[in-house]
Amino acid sequence: AQRVTQPEKLLSVFKGAPVELKCNYSYSGSPELFWYVQYSRQRLQLLLRHISRESIKGFTADLNKGETSFHLKKPFAQEEDSAMYYCARGGSQGNLIFGKGTKLSVKP
Amino acid sequence: DAGVIQSPRHEVTEMGQEVTLRCKPISGHDYLFWYRQTMMRGLELLIYFNNNVPIDDSGMPEDRFSAKMPNASFSTLKIQPSEPRDSAVYFCASSLGSGAFFGQGTRLTVV
Repeated sequence: AQRVTQPEKLLSVFKGAPVELKCNYSYSGSPELFWYVQYSRQRLQLLLRHISRESIKGFTADLNKGETSFHLKKPFAQEEDSAMYYCARGGSQGNLIFGKGTKLSVKP
Repeated sequence: DAGVIQSPRHEVTEMGQEVTLRCKPISGHDYLFWYRQTMMRGLELLIYFNNNVPIDDSGMPEDRFSAKMPNASFSTLKIQPSEPRDSAVYFCASSLGSGAFFGQGTRLTVV
């Protein structure tokens, strides 16, 4: 089965500390991988996708095929980064499979 | 483009009533998804369409739930009859087959 695993339900850090949100996916060919962010009571927004190799709001994510991971990182967390973060992979039939999400709390 | 548009934003209804949620995808997108979000279960895929055809409805919880996509610019998710455990935020999303863009969601409360 195609799965996305986010092992941490909650991650709490202090402002200025580095952040790493973990994501592992089940191996199946060469999936497309994404990170979505959901601020309080808002819609999910696409944060970044692995094919773009971009940095958005200071976040980056590197695809590690050997470890089947796509961890999201930011060197210095800000309070406004507090949100739910979802890792997702493209399915074989055009669908999108989400992990359970990690709630990031950045404390002042 | 205004993005994915969902209506209503909020719906409060009594148990047993029929509820219809509506979605207008981004023009040109050929995939449409319906998700349900709750504290307990997180984000669940209910059903998705490709070119207006349902591809996978295995996430639809019960026969009380049904979804249609009569044309490329409109979809509905219907719950009949509604129950308190259906209370959740329902998101619609659309894509061109890579990633997806979400609507603001409909917050449904069944009392």
